[in-house]
Amino acid sequence: DAGVTQSPTHLIKTRGQQVTLRCSPKSGHDTVSWYQQALGQGPQFIFQYYEEEERQRGNFPDRFSGHQFPNYSSELNVNALLLGDSALYLCASSLSGTEETQYFGPGTRLLVL
Amino acid sequence: QQQVKQSPQSLIVQKGGISIINCAYENTAFDYFPWYQQFPGKGPALLIAIRPDVSEKKEGRFTISFNKSAKQFSLHIMDSQPGDSATYFCAASMRANNLFFGTGTRLTVIP
Repeated sequence: DAGVTQSPTHLIKTRGQQVTLRCSPKSGHDTVSWYQQALGQGPQFIFQYYEEEERQRGNFPDRFSGHQFPNYSSELNVNALLLGDSALYLCASSLSGTEETQYFGPGTRLLVL
Repeated sequence: QQQVKQSPQSLIVQKGGISIINCAYENTAFDYFPWYQQFPGKGPALLIAIRPDVSEKKEGRFTISFNKSAKQFSLHIMDSQPGDSATYFCAASMRANNLFFGTGTRLTVIP
């Protein structure tokens, strides 16, 4: 049973560029949430996708956008990258209508220079 | 505003000892309280979780104690082992929505 997978594992970008991160949820899960984890901090909620719609959103600017595909996989896009966007980006999946425990992937480490 | 406050920031325990990490919250709408363990370079892994209708939950060496009236919950790791050395995060959510995480506790278990 495959867990949550994310790609790429590491990424280096320069300020102003755009980046796309990808996530495949745990088998059987239909909900994907994205979190940003700065070094030495706890994860911060970005947004959650269910049935290909953004269901909730945290306190992140519109530069952060996402998408969920019919197979439940998801993308996180960040435009106009800032140095402060450097972080570990975590994807978590869950199954709606249940206890909805969130299972995290290994993350994508983004460095903005 | 930090929705979930966690302490201590770091903890050093001898092998075989008890590790205790505490968390407090303000929002009484929270109804789900998980603990996650995170190793360097990895994503958080769910350890154990509790709902407010239960005061204690135990799974192996890990126990959550929950005090609803004080709005506090804690993780106890019994017989701590060097392999338990990691960062631990408490979290809270309401109605299966997004998780609010604490700031983390870096645990070091000395052999």
